[in-house]
This record gives sequence, structure tokens and C-alpha cells, in this order.
Amino acid sequence: NAGVTQTPKFQVLKTGQSMTLQCAQDMNHNSMYWYRQDPGMGLRLIYYSASEGTTDKGEVPNGYNVSRLNKREFSLRLESAAPSQTSVYFCASSDRVWYTEAFFGQGTRLTVV
Amino acid sequence: SQQGEEDPQALSIQEGENATMNCSYKTSINNLQWYRQNSGRGLVHLILIRSNEREKHSGRLRVTLDTSKKSSSLLITASRAADTASYFCATDGGTNAGKSTFGDGTTLTVKP
Repeated sequence: NAGVTQTPKFQVLKTGQSMTLQCAQDMNHNSMYWYRQDPGMGLRLIYYSASEGTTDKGEVPNGYNVSRLNKREFSLRLESAAPSQTSVYFCASSDRVWYTEAFFGQGTRLTVV
Repeated sequence: SQQGEEDPQALSIQEGENATMNCSYKTSINNLQWYRQNSGRGLVHLILIRSNEREKHSGRLRVTLDTSKKSSSLLITASRAADTASYFCATDGGTNAGKSTFGDGTTLTVKP
């Protein structure tokens, strides 16, 4: 039982490059989330998907796009990476949006040079 | 802007002592959650307290919620070195769910 799996774990991009962060959960959860965490700070919500087929912006959505591919998978895409997007990205899932505990992946450490 | 804000930013105690950290938030909520993050790892859920609850226990953890003061506290009793981590509160944002946020966390160091 893997829980929430994120790939890749580490990535270095050059400014302007694009990439997609992958996230999959095996707990049959309805809701999924993408957060970013900058050094010494808490998590900021980028996008979330309350249920399959829906996505909504969070606190810091600019520069990102998401796709809820199916109930299991929720991907985050950076179309044109910028140094300000250097961060650790966490994917999470929960049974229902906001009202139950969230389970987190181990994070993707992204550096944009 | 962030909904939940933890206090203090850092806390250092000896093993066996109790650790108390606080969280304040700005708008009404449906629930508040506490999470732990070990260095370089993802967050682990500790406890969820709903807006109609005042206190909740889980093992050595005790969480209180005061909706009139828009604040919560997390008490860890008889701390252990393994409790060394960052602790975050997260609120659901009430009617504005898309703005649910985490605070910057309290970094707890428990010295053996």
C-alpha cells in the first residue's frame, strides 16, 4: 500500500523549460491537492481537485496548470519554469475536500536555474 | 495571506518536558488540523478538531480549539527526541475552501 507517490523526487530545470510533476494515490480518495513549500515556510496551495473531473485554483496558481487524469492521478505542469518556482512540491489526497485528514507524498525538490 | 499562523516559530525543550504550540487564524473554519513534518519528508496528519469541538486527545497529544479567539493549541506531553520536527496547523478556510492554508510552522527540538 504505497499511499501517495510523487515522481520525480528531484529535478533541475533551466529557466524556460517545461515539466510535469506526477502524483498518484491508491487510497481511492476523491480529493487531491498540490502544494509548494519554500524554505522555512508552510505549505501554500497551488491547485486542488475536489473530485474527479474538477480542478480549482488555490492560493498561488500563477505559472502552473493541473490535470486530474482520473481518480488516482493528479499532475502539475510548469509550462515555462522560472527561478521563483524553485521549491519543494507536495501532492496530497483526502477522502473529501478539507473535511478529512490529508495524506502527503514525499515531495519533489525542484530547482530552476 | 496565510490563514493559520503558529507561535512560537521555534521551541527547544528537554526530553520529558511538555511542549505547547499555538495557532491563530483569521476567518471562520469548519475544522482545524495539526500536522508533523520531519526534516526533508512529507507531512503526517496528527489530529483533526472540528469547529464544534473544544478539546481532543490522541495518545500524548492534546489539542484545544477556541473559536471565539480563533486559536488552537497543540500540547505534546512527556516529549521524546523523536518528536523533533516541524508542526503545522491547517485550516479549511470555512466557506472559502480554496483559500485553506498552512501556517509557517513551529520547529520543535527535543534534546535527549
